[in-house]
Amino acid sequence: KQEVTQIPAALSVPEGENLVLNCSFTDSAIYNLQWFRQDPGKGLTSLLLIQSSQREQTSGRLNASLDKSSGRSTLYIAASQPGDSATYLCAPQRDTGRRALTFGSGTRLQVQP
Amino acid sequence: GAVVSQHPSWVICKSGTSVKIECRSLDFQATTMFWYRQFPKQSLMLMATSNEGSKATYEQGVEKDKFLINHASLTLSTLTVTSAHPEDSSFYICSARLFGNTIYFGEGSWLTVV
Repeated sequence: KQEVTQIPAALSVPEGENLVLNCSFTDSAIYNLQWFRQDPGKGLTSLLLIQSSQREQTSGRLNASLDKSSGRSTLYIAASQPGDSATYLCAPQRDTGRRALTFGSGTRLQVQP
Repeated sequence: GAVVSQHPSWVICKSGTSVKIECRSLDFQATTMFWYRQFPKQSLMLMATSNEGSKATYEQGVEKDKFLINHASLTLSTLTVTSAHPEDSSFYICSARLFGNTIYFGEGSWLTVV
């Protein structure tokens, strides 16, 4: 059974800092891995999707890397802004069967203005 | 782009009653839909996988007789919480898989059982 761990659980930083959010997973047989953002009381917004054959993906100030063999992914946020405040979820997708996502417990980020 | 819509966004029901949540894929046909539940300050946990025209597959520990899932068409899956109790109060969210493994999430539904 896939286990997903995200570190840190919570993070509070001043505006402008560069951040690294970590995700580790126990089963490396993944099809892809997604990073999501969840605002309080809201659904999920997909930020980045990395295929298992890829090493990283970039979108604006966000960069996600994937080391499938070691079961790790990182989300890098450059020049953080108060609007980045949210919970960030990592979710690897199974490589077989129904291909559901397994979510980590998330990192709650607060960026202080 | 592809959109998944959930309804209702918020629902309050009395203990012992049943409530239905709908998940619709608006721009595409979804052969597979997933239902997740999220308790406060916890992550999303997969409840069941819904395949069009067949019975849903439930995760371990999820009562299939309590959480009824129907996927009668390629654009609609429903989750019915039967005989709801306060401990069923949670955030329920669905996702739909587009052919080729792209997954889209609905906006989620908040259920409060009083």
